[in-house]
Amino acid sequence: GAGVSQTPSNKVTEKGKYVELRCDPISGHTALYWYRQSLGQGPEFLIYFQGTGAADDSGLPNDRFFAVRPEGSVSTLKIQRTERGDSAVYLCASSLGGEQYFGPGTRLTVT
Amino acid sequence: ELKVEQNPLFLSMQEGKNYTIYCNYSTTSDRLYWYRQDPGKSLESLFVLLSNGAVKQEGRLMASLDTKARLSTLHITAAVHDLSATYFCAVDALNYQLIWGAGTKLIIKP
Repeated sequence: GAGVSQTPSNKVTEKGKYVELRCDPISGHTALYWYRQSLGQGPEFLIYFQGTGAADDSGLPNDRFFAVRPEGSVSTLKIQRTERGDSAVYLCASSLGGEQYFGPGTRLTVT
Repeated sequence: ELKVEQNPLFLSMQEGKNYTIYCNYSTTSDRLYWYRQDPGKSLESLFVLLSNGAVKQEGRLMASLDTKARLSTLHITAAVHDLSATYFCAVDALNYQLIWGAGTKLIIKP
Protein backbone atom coordinates (compact mmCIF):
# COMPACT_ATOMS: atom_id res chain seq x y z
CA GLY A 1 0.00 0.00 0.00
CA ALA A 2 0.97 3.65 -0.24
CA GLY A 3 3.35 4.96 2.35
CA VAL A 4 3.74 8.45 3.75
CA SER A 5 4.28 11.03 1.04
CA GLN A 6 5.66 14.55 1.31
CA THR A 7 5.71 17.43 -1.10
CA PRO A 8 7.72 19.13 -2.33
CA SER A 9 10.80 16.94 -2.11
CA ASN A 10 13.01 20.02 -2.32
CA LYS A 11 12.25 23.65 -1.60
CA VAL A 12 14.63 26.57 -2.01
CA THR A 13 13.41 29.89 -0.68
CA GLU A 14 14.80 33.28 0.16
CA LYS A 15 15.23 34.48 3.70
CA GLY A 16 12.05 36.13 4.93
CA LYS A 17 9.68 34.22 2.67
CA TYR A 18 6.77 31.98 3.70
CA VAL A 19 6.76 28.24 2.93
CA GLU A 20 4.31 25.38 3.26
CA LEU A 21 5.31 21.75 3.46
CA ARG A 22 2.73 19.04 2.93
CA CYS A 23 2.43 15.55 4.39
CA ASP A 24 0.07 12.79 3.27
CA PRO A 25 0.03 10.06 5.94
CA ILE A 26 -0.78 6.39 5.52
CA SER A 27 -4.52 6.02 5.16
CA GLY A 28 -6.19 5.34 8.49
CA HIS A 29 -3.27 6.44 10.63
CA THR A 30 -4.61 8.72 13.33
CA ALA A 31 -1.26 9.98 14.62
CA LEU A 32 0.94 12.29 12.57
CA TYR A 33 4.33 13.72 13.51
CA TRP A 34 6.60 16.38 12.14
CA TYR A 35 10.36 16.25 12.72
CA ARG A 36 13.30 18.31 11.56
CA GLN A 37 16.65 16.72 10.80
CA SER A 38 19.86 18.62 10.31
CA LEU A 39 22.89 17.08 8.65
CA GLY A 40 24.58 14.48 10.80
CA GLN A 41 21.97 14.59 13.52
CA GLY A 42 18.96 12.62 14.61
CA PRO A 43 15.43 13.86 13.99
CA GLU A 44 14.18 16.61 16.27
CA PHE A 45 10.53 16.45 17.28
CA LEU A 46 8.37 19.40 16.25
CA ILE A 47 4.69 18.55 16.65
CA TYR A 48 2.34 15.61 17.07
CA PHE A 49 -1.29 15.39 15.91
CA GLN A 50 -3.86 12.91 17.13
CA GLY A 51 -6.70 13.27 14.67
CA THR A 52 -7.27 16.92 13.85
CA GLY A 53 -5.81 18.39 17.01
CA ALA A 54 -2.23 19.12 17.92
CA ALA A 55 -1.69 16.90 20.96
CA ASP A 56 1.84 18.16 21.55
CA ASP A 57 3.44 21.15 19.86
CA SER A 58 6.23 21.57 22.38
CA GLY A 59 8.92 21.03 19.76
CA LEU A 60 8.02 23.97 17.55
CA PRO A 61 11.03 26.28 17.88
CA ASN A 62 9.11 29.57 17.85
CA ASP A 63 5.90 31.20 16.67
CA ARG A 64 7.09 31.35 13.06
CA PHE A 65 6.27 27.65 12.85
CA PHE A 66 2.70 26.41 12.67
CA ALA A 67 1.07 23.18 11.54
CA VAL A 68 -2.48 22.15 10.75
CA ARG A 69 -4.34 18.96 10.03
CA PRO A 70 -7.89 20.17 9.40
CA GLU A 71 -9.52 16.90 8.37
CA GLY A 72 -7.39 14.49 10.34
CA SER A 73 -5.46 13.30 7.32
CA VAL A 74 -3.18 15.62 5.32
CA SER A 75 -1.05 18.00 7.34
CA THR A 76 0.71 21.21 6.38
CA LEU A 77 3.70 22.65 8.18
CA LYS A 78 3.89 26.40 7.70
CA ILE A 79 6.98 28.51 8.29
CA GLN A 80 6.77 32.29 8.24
CA ARG A 81 9.65 34.72 7.72
CA THR A 82 12.08 31.91 7.03
CA GLU A 83 15.63 32.17 8.34
CA ARG A 84 18.79 30.47 7.14
CA GLY A 85 18.79 28.41 10.33
CA ASP A 86 15.52 26.81 9.23
CA SER A 87 17.38 24.93 6.50
CA ALA A 88 17.00 21.21 7.19
CA VAL A 89 15.13 18.13 6.08
CA TYR A 90 11.58 18.15 7.40
CA LEU A 91 10.27 14.66 8.01
CA CYS A 92 6.70 13.56 8.51
CA ALA A 93 5.68 10.27 10.09
CA SER A 94 2.37 8.60 10.79
CA SER A 95 1.31 5.76 13.04
CA LEU A 96 -1.61 3.97 14.64
CA GLY A 97 -0.09 4.58 18.04
CA GLY A 98 3.22 2.77 18.05
CA GLU A 99 5.78 2.30 15.33
CA GLN A 100 6.14 5.41 13.19
CA TYR A 101 6.40 5.25 9.41
CA PHE A 102 8.35 8.03 7.80
CA GLY A 103 7.96 9.88 4.56
CA PRO A 104 10.89 10.75 2.26
CA GLY A 105 11.19 14.26 3.70
CA THR A 106 11.29 17.77 2.28
CA ARG A 107 14.72 19.35 2.00
CA LEU A 108 14.30 23.05 2.77
CA THR A 109 17.08 25.44 1.87
CA VAL A 110 16.81 29.07 2.90
CA THR A 111 19.21 31.32 1.00
CA GLU B 1 14.32 15.37 30.48
CA LEU B 2 14.80 12.18 28.53
CA LYS B 3 18.16 11.91 26.81
CA VAL B 4 19.32 9.20 24.45
CA GLU B 5 22.98 8.48 23.83
CA GLN B 6 24.37 6.19 21.18
CA ASN B 7 27.87 4.92 20.86
CA PRO B 8 29.90 4.74 18.89
CA LEU B 9 28.85 7.61 16.63
CA PHE B 10 31.03 6.32 13.84
CA LEU B 11 32.11 2.77 13.10
CA SER B 12 34.20 1.46 10.26
CA MET B 13 34.53 -2.28 10.07
CA GLN B 14 35.48 -5.10 7.75
CA GLU B 15 33.01 -7.46 6.17
CA GLY B 16 32.56 -10.64 8.13
CA LYS B 17 33.19 -9.05 11.54
CA ASN B 18 30.78 -8.72 14.44
CA TYR B 19 30.04 -5.53 16.31
CA THR B 20 27.56 -3.95 18.70
CA ILE B 21 26.01 -0.49 18.80
CA TYR B 22 24.83 0.74 22.20
CA CYS B 23 21.89 2.96 23.06
CA ASN B 24 21.55 4.35 26.59
CA TYR B 25 18.65 6.45 27.79
CA SER B 26 18.14 8.47 30.91
CA THR B 27 14.63 7.85 32.23
CA THR B 28 12.10 5.08 32.37
CA SER B 29 10.64 3.97 29.09
CA ASP B 30 9.49 0.62 27.80
CA ARG B 31 9.33 1.35 24.10
CA LEU B 32 12.46 1.56 22.04
CA TYR B 33 12.87 1.65 18.28
CA TRP B 34 15.77 1.10 15.92
CA TYR B 35 15.76 2.78 12.52
CA ARG B 36 18.08 2.70 9.54
CA GLN B 37 18.80 5.68 7.30
CA ASP B 38 20.67 5.51 4.00
CA PRO B 39 22.33 8.71 2.71
CA GLY B 40 19.73 11.14 1.37
CA LYS B 41 16.90 8.79 2.26
CA SER B 42 14.25 8.66 4.93
CA LEU B 43 14.10 6.46 8.01
CA GLU B 44 13.28 2.78 7.78
CA SER B 45 11.95 0.98 10.83
CA LEU B 46 14.05 -2.04 11.84
CA PHE B 47 12.88 -3.13 15.28
CA VAL B 48 10.29 -2.25 17.88
CA LEU B 49 11.19 -3.38 21.40
CA LEU B 50 8.32 -3.20 23.85
CA SER B 51 9.36 -4.94 27.03
CA ASN B 52 12.27 -5.76 29.26
CA GLY B 53 14.29 -8.61 27.86
CA ALA B 54 12.84 -8.25 24.37
CA VAL B 55 15.08 -9.61 21.65
CA LYS B 56 14.37 -9.37 17.94
CA GLN B 57 16.40 -10.61 15.00
CA GLU B 58 16.24 -9.90 11.30
CA GLY B 59 18.96 -11.36 9.14
CA ARG B 60 22.35 -10.26 10.45
CA LEU B 61 20.88 -7.73 12.89
CA MET B 62 19.71 -8.47 16.40
CA ALA B 63 18.32 -5.95 18.86
CA SER B 64 17.74 -6.32 22.59
CA LEU B 65 16.31 -4.19 25.37
CA ASP B 66 17.16 -4.07 29.08
CA THR B 67 14.78 -1.56 30.66
CA LYS B 68 16.38 -1.90 34.09
CA ALA B 69 19.77 -0.87 32.74
CA ARG B 70 18.10 1.56 30.31
CA LEU B 71 20.15 0.03 27.55
CA SER B 72 19.48 -1.35 24.12
CA THR B 73 21.98 -3.00 21.82
CA LEU B 74 22.02 -3.57 18.09
CA HIS B 75 24.33 -6.44 17.24
CA ILE B 76 25.67 -7.01 13.76
CA THR B 77 26.81 -10.49 12.88
CA ALA B 78 29.19 -11.19 9.99
CA ALA B 79 28.72 -7.73 8.53
CA VAL B 80 28.17 -7.26 4.81
CA HIS B 81 28.60 -4.08 2.75
CA ASP B 82 24.82 -3.66 2.28
CA LEU B 83 24.47 -2.93 6.00
CA SER B 84 26.40 0.34 5.61
CA ALA B 85 24.03 3.08 6.78
CA THR B 86 23.32 5.30 9.78
CA TYR B 87 21.45 3.56 12.58
CA PHE B 88 19.31 5.46 15.06
CA CYS B 89 17.71 4.38 18.28
CA ALA B 90 14.66 6.28 19.52
CA VAL B 91 12.93 6.09 22.88
CA ASP B 92 9.26 6.73 23.49
CA ALA B 93 9.01 9.69 25.87
CA LEU B 94 5.34 10.59 26.19
CA ASN B 95 2.35 10.16 23.92
CA TYR B 96 4.63 8.36 21.50
CA GLN B 97 6.90 11.38 21.11
CA LEU B 98 10.23 9.84 20.19
CA ILE B 99 13.53 11.11 21.53
CA TRP B 100 16.34 10.18 19.18
CA GLY B 101 19.96 9.30 19.57
CA ALA B 102 22.50 11.09 17.38
CA GLY B 103 22.92 8.07 15.16
CA THR B 104 25.76 5.65 14.46
CA LYS B 105 27.27 5.93 11.02
CA LEU B 106 28.35 2.44 10.02
CA ILE B 107 30.73 1.83 7.14
CA ILE B 108 31.47 -1.76 6.18
CA LYS B 109 34.45 -2.25 3.95
CA PRO B 110 34.69 -5.18 1.55
